[in-house]
Amino acid sequence: DVKVTQSSRYLVKRTGEKVFLECVQDMDHENMFWYRQDPGLGLRLIYFSYDVKMKEKGDIPEGYSVSREKKERFSLILESASTNQTSMYLCASSLYGVRGQGAEEQYFGPGTRLTVT
Amino acid sequence: QQQVKQSPQSLIVQKGGISIINCAYENTAFDYFPWYQQFPGKGPALLIAIRPDVSEKKEGRFTISFNKSAKQFSLHIMDSQPGDSATYFCAARKSLYNQGGKLIFGQGTELSVKP
Repeated sequence: DVKVTQSSRYLVKRTGEKVFLECVQDMDHENMFWYRQDPGLGLRLIYFSYDVKMKEKGDIPEGYSVSREKKERFSLILESASTNQTSMYLCASSLYGVRGQGAEEQYFGPGTRLTVT
Repeated sequence: QQQVKQSPQSLIVQKGGISIINCAYENTAFDYFPWYQQFPGKGPALLIAIRPDVSEKKEGRFTISFNKSAKQFSLHIMDSQPGDSATYFCAARKSLYNQGGKLIFGQGTELSVKP
């Protein structure tokens, strides 16, 4: 079974703090993703990575950065947390997909509910 | 053009009834349309998916209907059960060479099946 784990289920931080969210997958997947989930907005892609040390901006990268030093680990960093970053953060991973050959299922972690006060 | 619009936002269905969730997209470059199911406290998990070269895909009680000309697709849950109560997300993917593609998700539908 594919397993995607996230370092914390719940996190409370203060405005201005630097926040690290960690994600680890155990299936040797090339692709990893960070989403935030907000009611009525669905899942929105923050950043993704298709290889070690590679990263691509998603749809809402402002205020976030990422790090991928090892294939199995993908970190999301909030440089200076703000209250509008209070949300559920979901990490996902998938196998590399070859164009035209099929799409790859994304496997999600359980999420980290971050509250910034 | 990158959006996927999902409706309704919430849905209440009686046990045994049919649940229908609809999604619409604009980008004709999308080539894969999955539905994800999320239970409270869990991450989303793939439920069923379809490619635009077929109009329907059925897996057990779950069916995707796909209308390429209208750029719409829908999830039908037959004989809905209380255990189907969850949040459902449609999504669309545009393949990205060497990158496996990224998903654009709809807004989500919270389904409640009453006993």
